[in-house]
Amino acid sequence: ILNVEQSPQSLHVQEGDSTNFTCSFPSSNFYALHWYRWETAKSPEALFVMTLNGDEKKKGRISATLNTKEGYSYLYIKGSQPEDSATYLCALNSGGSNYKLTFGKGTLLTVNP
Amino acid sequence: DTEVTQTPKHLVMGMTNKKSLKCEQHMGHRAMYWYKQKAKKPPELMFVYSYEKLSINESVPSRFSPECPNSSLLNLHLHALQPEDSALYLCASSQDWGQGGEKLFFGSGTQLSVL
Repeated sequence: ILNVEQSPQSLHVQEGDSTNFTCSFPSSNFYALHWYRWETAKSPEALFVMTLNGDEKKKGRISATLNTKEGYSYLYIKGSQPEDSATYLCALNSGGSNYKLTFGKGTLLTVNP
Repeated sequence: DTEVTQTPKHLVMGMTNKKSLKCEQHMGHRAMYWYKQKAKKPPELMFVYSYEKLSINESVPSRFSPECPNSSLLNLHLHALQPEDSALYLCASSQDWGQGGEKLFFGSGTQLSVL
């Protein structure tokens, strides 16, 4: 069973603050790393899929980095807005014969106006 | 159309009932998935269909029976469920399966309560 850990579990920030969270995974079991944003009562939405060590992806105010050698990915949000409030999930695809995603428990972000 | 539509949104059933969850996508995706999520836990994969064939069954009890009638539809038939099966059931699709870098498109889920 793969262990995908996310920290912190929850985070409260003020509007305008920049923030970041971490996803840790076994570095020996890496094929791809996914980030999803899940707003309450909506569908999880893909933010990024990263496959290469050193990958950096950006979408508006949100960016992510990947270190496959040490087994972690960071998600950054610059100038948080109330609409960024959501649970952010990372998921590891370890490849092999079963291409399936193992999800972390997520980081719940609340941005206060 | 980038939506994955799941019905119903909520379902309450008794342990002797038979019910079905439905999932539909019209993005031309060839892979479809069922995930189960219990409160405060990560989503857990149940089944993967690729090109309408069952590719992964994560040792799911037989009281859950998946069906993929065509490439756009995915059903999950439920029979003789237990209260511990109460959870959010998420459907997802992707362009393909087995490529590793394929992002998933999720539905908003069916919240199932088994009494």
